[in-house]
This record gives sequence, structure tokens and C-alpha cells, in this order.
Amino acid sequence: GAGVSQSPSNKVTEKGKDVELRCDPISGHTALYWYRQSLGQGLEFLIYFQGNSAPDKSGLPSDRFSAERTGGSVSTLTIQRTQQEDSAVYLCASSLEGGTGESERAEAFFGQGTRLTVV
Amino acid sequence: SQELEQSPQSLIVQEGKNLTINCTSSKTLYGLYWYKQKYGEGLIFLMMLQKGGEEKSHEKITAKLDEKKQQSSLHITASQPSHAGIYLCGADILEYGNKLVFGAGTILRVKS
Repeated sequence: GAGVSQSPSNKVTEKGKDVELRCDPISGHTALYWYRQSLGQGLEFLIYFQGNSAPDKSGLPSDRFSAERTGGSVSTLTIQRTQQEDSAVYLCASSLEGGTGESERAEAFFGQGTRLTVV
Repeated sequence: SQELEQSPQSLIVQEGKNLTINCTSSKTLYGLYWYKQKYGEGLIFLMMLQKGGEEKSHEKITAKLDEKKQQSSLHITASQPSHAGIYLCGADILEYGNKLVFGAGTILRVKS
């Protein structure tokens, strides 16, 4: 697609329910990131996928959070037994490549985000 | 994020005035990215800086990365209402591995 697509754009769920958030990265982008932005907060890293490598899950706040990326393309972020503190905007980004070091990373393009509200 | 300090937290300027937003780290930044976010929207990539002393400009926005690669500034000349939004700096920091770390953002309002 032309850009990173996230769905749904808005989700209201009851406390205790599970939710799935979807991200369609830009075609050909091997790196995919999930971030969370809570009200008044900066971006909080959640998880990173790069090609066929094991994902970097170091940012997942609890075992209620999981993510997968099927076929190296679409990614799903799942939050089980949602809590009110999970309310935030969940942003997905993709880039041609990832990693640190000089000249390794291409710029990341972000989706519009999914605004999750847990009531 | 404590890895990147952004200042100021918010800024109100009169249309036509210049402004500067700063992004500072105690660690070396291997890549520094500036994004803009409008309320309810995703992040829009503005510029990427990688080399010490690098400076890039796009329209009325100029971003610089210092020689030590620990501080970046974003300068807007002759601000317009369309510049309003939240500006975020993000960076590759070796000690933090794969993730891009972000500053807390600067909220910019431009008064007509």
C-alpha cells in the first residue's frame, strides 16, 4: 500500500476483554515496530520485528501483551484481559531496515494509530 | 523517555516568528529523526540526521545535529498556523538496541 495502515482506527472495549490491533506495513519493509502513546506521554516502544529474526519484545509491559507478524508482512498486537491503563494510541511503523549503527536504519513511516479506550 | 530530553515542552508563538526546539541526549545518537504529529493523526516524518554537524532544511524547517551527535535542534523560520502540532525527536542509541527512542514531544501553537 501507499503507507502504513492500521485498523481499527478507534476501539472501545470493556475492561477484561481481549483486543486485536492490526498493522499493514508498507510493502517491502522488513522492519516493523509497535509503539504506544498514552495521554501526555511520549512514545513507548513495545516490540520490533526485523525480517525472520526473533522479535525484540523488550518493551512489552506485561504478559497480557503479545504480537506476531505473519509472512513478514501484516502484524497483530493482542492485548488480553484489557485494563484501563491500557488506554492509549497504539502506533505501528515500518522501515526498509532496522538496527543501530551508522547508516543502518532507514526512516520509519508511521500509521495513523489505533486509539484504544478501555472502559 | 528519559533517554531523550526535549525542550520546551510547549510553545506558543505569534505567526511569523521564529522558534527552536531542542533534543538532547547524554549518549551518542547514531541517527536522529524529527517527526510531526497533529492531533488524532499518525507521525509524519520530517528529517533524518546521521552525521555530526549535519544540517538539513525543508521549506521553512531546518534541523541540525551537533558535532558530538548528542544534541539536535529544529528551527522554524517565520512560523505559520500550519506548523502547529506536536514535534517529536526520535533517535537510534546503541545502548538501547533495536528500538527508536523518542522524546516526550513539544507542543507548538501558532497564534494568528
